[in-house]
Amino acid sequence: DAGVTQSPTHLIKTRGQHVTLRCSPISGHKSVSWYQQVLGQGPQFIFQYYEKEERGRGNFPDRFSARQFPNYSSELNVNALLLGDSALYLCASSPDMGMVEKLFFGSGTQLSVL
Amino acid sequence: AQSVTQPDIHITVSEGASLELRCNYSYGATPYLFWYVQSPGQGLQLLLKYFSGDTLVQGIKGFEAEFKRSQSSFNLRKPSVHWSDAAEYFCAVGGGGADGLTFGKGTHLIIQP
Repeated sequence: DAGVTQSPTHLIKTRGQHVTLRCSPISGHKSVSWYQQVLGQGPQFIFQYYEKEERGRGNFPDRFSARQFPNYSSELNVNALLLGDSALYLCASSPDMGMVEKLFFGSGTQLSVL
Repeated sequence: AQSVTQPDIHITVSEGASLELRCNYSYGATPYLFWYVQSPGQGLQLLLKYFSGDTLVQGIKGFEAEFKRSQSSFNLRKPSVHWSDAAEYFCAVGGGGADGLTFGKGTHLIIQP
C-alpha cells in the first residue's frame, strides 16, 4: 500500500500569490492533518480535517484554509503569500480523528516564496 | 499549553559511541510521547512512541526511550550509533483529540568517523 502522498514536491511562488498543496492519505485513513515546518524548526500543527470538516486548528491566520474531499484526500490553500510562508508543508493521515498513535507523515511539499 | 524542549541544538558523537538525546515536555494530563527522525528534504519517520505501561520503550533502528514522569522527560538513547544515524531528531507530545502534535525544535545529530 502507498503511504501518504503529497504534490507537488517543490513549488516556487511570489509574494501575494495563492497556492494549493495536495495530499492523499493512506488507504482507509479518514483524518488528514497539515503541519508547517520552517527551516531549522520543528513542525507546527496547522489543522486537522475529519469527515470533511475542520476539527482542530493551530495558531495560524485565516489565510490558511483546507478542504477534505469524499475520498478523504485534502488540499491546503494559502492566500496572499508572505515570505514567511516559505516552509516544508507536511501532511499526515490517521485512521480516525485524533489517532496520533497511528499518524503517518508524507514527505512534504517544499514551498519557496520569493 | 503543551510544549516540548530539546535543549541540544547540535550533538556530535563518534561512530560506535552511545547516544542520548534529551527531551522535556509540558502537558496537563498523561501525554502521548513520540520521537521522529528526519533526513534532509524528507518527511518524518516514527522511531518510537509511549502511551502507557512500561516506561522503557523500544523502537526501530536500535533506539529506545525512557519516560520519567517525575522529570517530565522522554530521552532517546542508542547504545552504538552508525554513520547512517546522522539526521534531525524531533521529540513530540500530544493527547489525541483534534489538537495535533507539538514538536520540539529538534536536535541535529552529527556522526564523526
